[in-house]
Amino acid sequence: EAAVTQSPRNKVAVTGGKVTLSCNQTNNHNNMYWYRQDTGHGLRLIHYSYGAGSTEKGDIPDGYKASRPSQENFSLILELATPSQTSVYFCASGGRRNSGNTLYFGEGSRLIVV
Amino acid sequence: QQKVQQSPESLSVPEGGMASLNCTSSDRNFQYFWWYRQHSGEGPKALMSIFSDGDKKEGRFTAHLNKASLHVSLHIRDSQPSDSALYFCAASDPLNYAQGLTFGLGTRVSVFP
Repeated sequence: EAAVTQSPRNKVAVTGGKVTLSCNQTNNHNNMYWYRQDTGHGLRLIHYSYGAGSTEKGDIPDGYKASRPSQENFSLILELATPSQTSVYFCASGGRRNSGNTLYFGEGSRLIVV
Repeated sequence: QQKVQQSPESLSVPEGGMASLNCTSSDRNFQYFWWYRQHSGEGPKALMSIFSDGDKKEGRFTAHLNKASLHVSLHIRDSQPSDSALYFCAASDPLNYAQGLTFGLGTRVSVFP
């Protein structure tokens, strides 16, 4: 009953190619997030969304786009993938103010750009 | 500069022992704190949150927050092999809570028999 599911779980892409990472949540949360995790950098916020139709830049948005077509779905798009974007990407949802916006993460998408 | 700093980077604890992790924020707007745990190959999972000064206990886990110094700690009592994981401290500004959490670099905990 995973509430945040990501696809694909693993992806190998070529430099210059387009990559789309997808995320679906069944928590009925307003807010969704994309982070990347790299050794020595922890988790860094790429883009986030307050709801359907909204996308906002996080701390490291360069080279990434995001799309939120519905409450449940949030995609991360790499139009021209580069080797520096090799990483593990995590999607998360959150939005209950009384919980301070605890984030619930998916299992991650491992991307290798060759 | 890292706004959320964690120490130590790694920690080895005997089974049944106590593990103590530390976290400090350099941003005075960060008043809400979380501890997350990540096992290898999985996504981070929230262990507990703490928003008020003092202690908060959940089972074998106790968090302590000092808002004046923006320091939060996590103590794991009676450590088990399943506690071996990467632990993240995360923080947010309660006035901008929807903008997500800022994470530290993590503390790797290893519990040995």
